[in-house]
Amino acid sequence: NAGVTQTPKFRVLKTGQSMTLLCAQDMNHEYMYWYRQDPGMGLRLIHYSVGEGTTAKGEVPDGYNVSRLKKQNFLLGLESAAPSQTSVYFCASSYEGAKWGFGPGTRLTVT
Amino acid sequence: AQKVTQAQTEISVVEKEDVTLDCVYETRDTTYYLFWYKQPPSGELVFLIRRNSFDEQNEISGRYSWNFQKSTSSFNFTITASQVVDSAVYFCALSEASRGAQKLVFGQGTRLTINP
Repeated sequence: NAGVTQTPKFRVLKTGQSMTLLCAQDMNHEYMYWYRQDPGMGLRLIHYSVGEGTTAKGEVPDGYNVSRLKKQNFLLGLESAAPSQTSVYFCASSYEGAKWGFGPGTRLTVT
Repeated sequence: AQKVTQAQTEISVVEKEDVTLDCVYETRDTTYYLFWYKQPPSGELVFLIRRNSFDEQNEISGRYSWNFQKSTSSFNFTITASQVVDSAVYFCALSEASRGAQKLVFGQGTRLTINP
C-alpha cells in the first residue's frame, strides 16, 4: 500500500515550458487535490476533484489545468510555466474529509 | 468561509522547555475536522492528530498534547520537554465535513526551532 505517490520529485523548467505532474493513490479515495506551498503561506488549494471525470477550481487555479481520467490518478498541468509558479506541489486524497493522504511533494523551479 | 490562523510565525526555545503552538479557526459548519501536521526539514507532511467537532476531549500522546475548545474556536498543540527532533514547521488545518468537497484549509504554519 503506497498511499499517495507523485512524480517527478524535482523539476527545473524554463519560462514558457510546459509539464505535467502525476499523482496516484491506491486508497480508493473519491476526492483528490493539488496544493502548492510557498514560504509563509501554508498550503493553498489549486484544483480538486470529487470523482473520476470531474474537476473544480480551488483558491489559486490560474495557470494550471487538471484532469482526472481514472479514479486513482490526478494530473496537474502547467501549459506555460512562469517564475511565480516556483513552489512545492503536494497532491492529496481524502475519504469524506476525515482521512487524508499526502504525497511526498514535487519541488518545481521555473527560471 | 473556513479559515485557520496560526499567529505565531516562528518560535525558538531551548531543549526541554515546554512550548505551545496556537491555532484558531473559523467555520460556519457544525461538523468539521481539525488536524495538526508536522513538516520536518525533509519536506514531507507528517500527520499528527485529527479531532472531530463533536469530541472536545483533550488528547495526549507521549510528549504531545492537544487542547480543543469550541467556545474559543481554538485547537492548540503543546510539546512537553521539547527535543531537537521536534524542530519543524507545524500546520493546523480544518476540513468541513458536510459541505461538498471537504477541502482541507491550512494555517500559515509555525516554524519551531528547538535549540540544544
